[in-house]
Amino acid sequence: SYILTQPPSVSVAPGQTATITCGGNNVGRYSVHWYQMKAGQAPVPVIFHDRDRPSGIPERFSGSNSGNTATLTISRVEAGDEADYYCQVWDGDSDHYVFGTGTTITVL
Amino acid sequence: EVQLLESGGALGRPGGSLRLSCEVSGFTLSTSAMSWVRQAPGKGLQWVATVAGPAGRTYYADSVKGRFTISRENARNTVDLHMRSLRAEDTAVYYCAKSNGSNFDNWGQGALVTVSS
Repeated sequence: SYILTQPPSVSVAPGQTATITCGGNNVGRYSVHWYQMKAGQAPVPVIFHDRDRPSGIPERFSGSNSGNTATLTISRVEAGDEADYYCQVWDGDSDHYVFGTGTTITVL
Repeated sequence: EVQLLESGGALGRPGGSLRLSCEVSGFTLSTSAMSWVRQAPGKGLQWVATVAGPAGRTYYADSVKGRFTISRENARNTVDLHMRSLRAEDTAVYYCAKSNGSNFDNWGQGALVTVSS
């Protein structure tokens, strides 16, 4: 089955830029989505289709996808951005939804 | 406004059965794809099952195929997850999610299922 790999953790100072990678074999041919999950809360979509922000998501959140790596970038990081972030694709070869391993963002 | 409300979270015994239900509002269930996604304690998100389209085609993760059944009751605006032959590793918070093509655009608050003797 298809596998998406993320770094377990990323630490960033307030005001700086956080970058989360999502690695997968030729992930550039998939449409990648990103979700934010704060402790005790349901996931919230932050990026759809590689780079589209859902309504209400700040412009500080952006995404890209090419080759074997998709990337979520959070600019001007705030304390409220502390959360787990997951990438996700639909694998049509197996008819399975696949989530990445997840990354915890810590704001120093 | 789209709303998803899960119910049925409970303590189940190994080898036993449980049913989760998700009541939806704010959109037309019969033409929508609906999924269940779970998060085990200390683990990441894992897709469990999806029911899609007017024909209600179903898809399952390998870990639950043959044990779990997802169904959609359009008249009651509910999506159920029937879980059988429960295992300890099925312990998780189960989220109901509306699928929008390749992604999940709306989520419920989750229901806790604990499998323990």
